[in-house]
Amino acid sequence: DAMVIQNPRYQVTQFGKPVTLSCSQTLNHNVMYWYQQKSSQAPKLLFHYYDKDFNNEADTPDNFQSRRPNTSFCFLDIRSPGLGDAAMYLCATSRDLLAGVVQETQYFGPGTRLLVL
Amino acid sequence: KQEVTQIPAALSVPEGENLVLNCSFTDSAIYNLQWFRQDPGKGLTSLLLIQSSQREQTSGRLNASLDKSSGRSTLYIAASQPGDSATYLCAVRLGLNMRFGAGTRLTVKP
Repeated sequence: DAMVIQNPRYQVTQFGKPVTLSCSQTLNHNVMYWYQQKSSQAPKLLFHYYDKDFNNEADTPDNFQSRRPNTSFCFLDIRSPGLGDAAMYLCATSRDLLAGVVQETQYFGPGTRLLVL
Repeated sequence: KQEVTQIPAALSVPEGENLVLNCSFTDSAIYNLQWFRQDPGKGLTSLLLIQSSQREQTSGRLNASLDKSSGRSTLYIAASQPGDSATYLCAVRLGLNMRFGAGTRLTVKP
């Protein structure tokens, strides 16, 4: 089945130790997103790729970076995780045409729960 | 800046009851509004997508309405079941940016 896959499902890292979360999709969607969701809060968009174009949200900390080596994969790098970065990280994809004018449903992966010790 | 609010934050109802979840947003210049379901510790599942030109969408026991001028959307769930227990989030879309509400946590008691 076509889907959005996130690995790992749970990630434990140490304070300040770099960590990478991965997302892959078989939907062949041109847009991929990374969201951060803390407990009982709304998911917050960190950045998105429209095809190869990277778009950073204004309030996303520099500690967060992303890479999209090809259509199917997207990575979230946290360079120096702090305790406040513990959260669920959600990857999503969509097929968007005409630079956002024609928009379809976003499909979400199951998320990666990050714990920072 | 677009703000999305969902009231109530939590709701508990007996099985079989019809219920309405509310979503409000501050900027009416949206492209679409989407309702999602999130089970504990899981990702989001899309339930209904309403384009800005539409007034409502229906899927099975779910009906979502959109009133852009007043900045409101409702999700109506008919004949609720224990399996409907989850957090329901609404999200508005402007361009490629999607802004979520914090959700309503629904519990349907058998």
